[in-house]
Amino acid sequence: AAGVIQSPRHLIKEKRETATLKCYPIPRHDTVYWYQQGPGQDPQFLISFYEKMQSDKGSIPDRFSAQQFSDYHSELNMSSLELGDSALYFCASSGGRAVNTEAFFGQGTRLTVV
Amino acid sequence: GQSLEQPSEVTAVEGAIVQINCTYQTSGFYGLSWYQQHDGGAPTFLSYNALDGLEETGRFSSFLSRSDSYGYLLLQELQMKDSASYFCAVRADDKIIFGKGTRLHILP
Repeated sequence: AAGVIQSPRHLIKEKRETATLKCYPIPRHDTVYWYQQGPGQDPQFLISFYEKMQSDKGSIPDRFSAQQFSDYHSELNMSSLELGDSALYFCASSGGRAVNTEAFFGQGTRLTVV
Repeated sequence: GQSLEQPSEVTAVEGAIVQINCTYQTSGFYGLSWYQQHDGGAPTFLSYNALDGLEETGRFSSFLSRSDSYGYLLLQELQMKDSASYFCAVRADDKIIFGKGTRLHILP
């Protein structure tokens, strides 16, 4: 079965550079979530989209932006990168807004800022 | 807002049973989920409880008491591959809020 695909899997950037992370949700899933997870930390919610519209926002820095495209893939854009942005970034998707809908996570993008 | 509390670490012996507790404070509570995450891997959905009681899925069971704002994950017949972090989580609007996670160590 198709899963959530994230690219790239690993990314190394220098401070003040820009990074773009991509997420391809499971087909026919209408909700996409982005999470940031530091070492030994819980996943922190950044932002979500429902039917290509931003639906909820967490502790996402102003330097970050995200969007969902007509084909439902989503991109997280991160500018003016800082060392503290080094983390695992997960994308997840779910197939409905029912509260018991399971969210499926991609394998993540490991971003290292040097 | 939402907050979830769970122990940071639990240690158990292979073949034994372990229980990971979670207490929560949240507005608009719908149900409690559990996720497993191995080092460097993605969170994987384990279970969901919307109603009070016990839900069993193979070696894993999850319990919820809405009146006590409390739930737990029960893992039986522990195997070394169960060594991972376990997160309780609640759904709120279009986001999933995770607890801090419980690191499960399994001794041979």
